[in-house]
Amino acid sequence: EVQLVESGGGLVQPGGSLRLSCAASGFTFSSYEMNWVRQAPGKGLEWVSYISSSGSTIYYADSVKGRFTISRDNAKNSLYLQMNSLRAEDTAVYYCARDHLLRAFDIWGQGTMVTVSS
Amino acid sequence: EIVLTQSPGTLSLSPGERATLSCRASQSVSSSYLAWYQQKPGQAPRLLIYGASSRATGIPDRFSGSGSGTDFTLTISRLEPEDFAVYYCQQYGSSLRTFGQGTKVEIK
Repeated sequence: EVQLVESGGGLVQPGGSLRLSCAASGFTFSSYEMNWVRQAPGKGLEWVSYISSSGSTIYYADSVKGRFTISRDNAKNSLYLQMNSLRAEDTAVYYCARDHLLRAFDIWGQGTMVTVSS
Repeated sequence: EIVLTQSPGTLSLSPGERATLSCRASQSVSSSYLAWYQQKPGQAPRLLIYGASSRATGIPDRFSGSGSGTDFTLTISRLEPEDFAVYYCQQYGSSLRTFGQGTKVEIK
């Protein structure tokens, strides 16, 4: 079964850091581009970051550029999101999502909740 | 950045009725890179349509997508009870992706 499982969410103070992980299974992870997408409570979806299959190409949304770092370990079938200088507005469920051939998101994890609050 | 505006915000319909959801882009979007998702409460989004009009694996044929340029439409031909949910459009352009704000389809 094709599956993505996120972990690492939790409560963090403003200005703090958190590292999210996404474990992939059921497909050849190293062949796929990956993304992080977030959803603030009661709000819509917001794309956060993209990484190519090799990790050589990376993009970020302006809202997280300079604070978040996406990475991957193909040997461990894992995707990561290092989040620094966290703000209240970063509070959201964070989903990892597999990139479809035509730049849609065809497989999603169940999400991990990040709460930034003092 | 391309902004996607979905309308209406909420659509109140009865099971068996036809639903027509609109997604308008602030500038032209390649049809290849326009997708639609369904999200139910407490669940991750599910890909319905990619490339503006192609159904994703396992999606019933009552869901269809159309459009080009700046105007795209998701149509649900006959609403089933499980179709009441929030729907998002999404585009890819200039290495970035953006979502519309969503349309909620609720039971009338």
